[in-house]
Amino acid sequence: EAGVAQSPRYKIIEKRQSVAFWCNPISGHATLYWYQQILGQGPKLLIQFQNNGVVDDSQLPKDRFSAERLKGVDSTLKIQPAKLEDSAVYLCASRSGNYYSYNEQFFGPGTRLTVL
Amino acid sequence: QKEVEQNSGPLSVPEGAIASLNCTYSDRVSQSFFWYRQYSGKSPELIMSIYSNGDKEDGRFTAQLNKASQYVSLLIRDSQPSDSATYLCAVNMGEDMRFGAGTRLTVKP
Repeated sequence: EAGVAQSPRYKIIEKRQSVAFWCNPISGHATLYWYQQILGQGPKLLIQFQNNGVVDDSQLPKDRFSAERLKGVDSTLKIQPAKLEDSAVYLCASRSGNYYSYNEQFFGPGTRLTVL
Repeated sequence: QKEVEQNSGPLSVPEGAIASLNCTYSDRVSQSFFWYRQYSGKSPELIMSIYSNGDKEDGRFTAQLNKASQYVSLLIRDSQPSDSATYLCAVNMGEDMRFGAGTRLTVKP
């Protein structure tokens, strides 16, 4: 079974520029999450999708961050414009949601963003 | 109060010893609890899940849950240098997962 795929793995941009990250979840996983992990901290949930609908985006800075999951499979997270404090690893995770794996999430390799 | 709290460490144990990692959480209705291991520069990897009070053992790992005390722990027996990593406690709160900041474990040969 292929894991969660993310690209790019690394990105360096200057502040005020735009950036987009892509995620392809494990096949058949209806739930997809985007997390931000700042160095030395645990992952912080940005947005959660169930199929192509948003379940929770309460911690997404909507003035600069946006995300979509068209067709309920792949997802894109965008930052526009980026700030220095956005430097972090952006993790995508998915889960199948069946009883025996309730809330067990599987993570992709992450995208390390550096904003200069 | 943070939703999920862990001692940041670092926790250092000698090879072969038992490493004990602790976590407390704030939401009394949480039902699912997880331990993830994260090597430096890598993404979190699930190592244990626990849903009921008591102990759950898997190889060298034992998770312990006490919902009344809102406390979950992870014991690693016969610690190996390859266990050196950051261990993240995660707790479901509704449909969301909340993570602690992680405890950095170093196992010295």
